[in-house]
Amino acid sequence: NAGVTQTPKFRVLKTGQSMTLLCAQDMNHEYMYWYRQDPGMGLRLIHYSVGEGTTAKGEVPDGYNVSRLKKQNFLLGLESAAPSQTSVYFCATKGAGAGQETQYFGPGTRLLVL
Amino acid sequence: QKEVEQDPGPLSVPEGAIVSLNCTYSNSAFQYFMWYRQYSRKGPELLMYTYSSGNKEDGRFTAQVDKSSKYISLFIRDSQPSDSATYLCASIQTGANNLFFGTGTRLTVIP
Repeated sequence: NAGVTQTPKFRVLKTGQSMTLLCAQDMNHEYMYWYRQDPGMGLRLIHYSVGEGTTAKGEVPDGYNVSRLKKQNFLLGLESAAPSQTSVYFCATKGAGAGQETQYFGPGTRLLVL
Repeated sequence: QKEVEQDPGPLSVPEGAIVSLNCTYSNSAFQYFMWYRQYSRKGPELLMYTYSSGNKEDGRFTAQVDKSSKYISLFIRDSQPSDSATYLCASIQTGANNLFFGTGTRLTVIP
């Protein structure tokens, strides 16, 4: 039972390059989230999904796209990376139903955009 | 004004001390309150979770919520070097999707 995994762990990009971050979960959770964490800013929600085939914007969605083709996977794409997207990216999942408000986080992906 | 405010510290205490970590929030609709612990270069892990006002105790950890003053606290008794981490408070409304986090307080427990 791996929980929430993220691929890759670390990546260096040049400005303008594209990449996709993968989040995978074996918890059978309906909800999945992508956050970025920056010093002094805390965790900020980029996009989220309430179920397979659905996506929605969070607090800081610009410059990112997401897809949830399978329940267990949530992809975060950067079409044209910018230095401002240098950050640590975390995926999180949550079950549906009353009282299931707790989110479970993956180990993170460190992204450096030069 | 941020939804959840947290003193970033850093906080440094000797082993065995009682630690008090605090947050305030602005949205009176928040019903769920969480504390996450994050070790260096790791993802946040859930430490404590409370619903509405009151106290919740788990071993050396006590989470306290005062909805009248919109104040969230985490107390750590008999602090250990292994407690050295960043502690994040978070709050959410029932049924909402956006979990609001504080910026985190970095704690160091000195042996």
